[in-house]
Amino acid sequence: DTGVSQDPRHKITKRGQNVTFRCDPISEHNRLYWYRQTLGQGPEFLTYFQNEAQLEKSRLLSDRFSAERPKGSFSTLEIQRTEQGDSAMYLCASSLEGQGRNTEAFFGQGTRLTVV
Amino acid sequence: AQSVSQHNHHVILSEAASLELGCNYSYGGTVNLFWYVQYPGQHLQLLLKYFSGDPLVKGIKGFEAEFIKSKFSFNLRKPSVQWSDTAEYFCAVNARDTGKLIFGQGTTLQVKP
Repeated sequence: DTGVSQDPRHKITKRGQNVTFRCDPISEHNRLYWYRQTLGQGPEFLTYFQNEAQLEKSRLLSDRFSAERPKGSFSTLEIQRTEQGDSAMYLCASSLEGQGRNTEAFFGQGTRLTVV
Repeated sequence: AQSVSQHNHHVILSEAASLELGCNYSYGGTVNLFWYVQYPGQHLQLLLKYFSGDPLVKGIKGFEAEFIKSKFSFNLRKPSVQWSDTAEYFCAVNARDTGKLIFGQGTTLQVKP
């Protein structure tokens, strides 16, 4: 499968624990996005990278959240001291941008986080 | 503020009925427009997109959408739905410089056989 892959697919954690999710984008894609989706809502933008540079972070991304894309390939999203309100589906997407071209974003299947 | 509004939260249709899902957006700059679909248990998939040119765009599975700039709308249509179209549909816009997507709240479509 050469699409966007996310790991794990499901994560159950106790409140206060740290969790880390991984996203592997489509290999030639230079942009990588993180979104969060709660039940009955559309995905909400969290942050994005162009290559290894994190170019924008949403105000939704509190200081407990950190994202990295160290070599411009895979990315990790870490949530420290999880809270029940962090329970959601975390989606990763990637796209190829630049040189005046626009392309659509391709989404992974998401990581469903449940904080108990 | 940038926003996308989908008019219908839950739509129930019988097979062969026609479908139109409304989408309006508020955005200050030049945008690209998208409809994504999420079938039960699956990831978001692109149905169709508008970047420029002909405002009537055709997507997969017989879907089409029309961009009406003066109305800030991008409504999704299908002349005859099938049971397999049961899914959640999301309208989205992005800024051409960042590619960041702003999604509507989604419309759940249930097609009865």
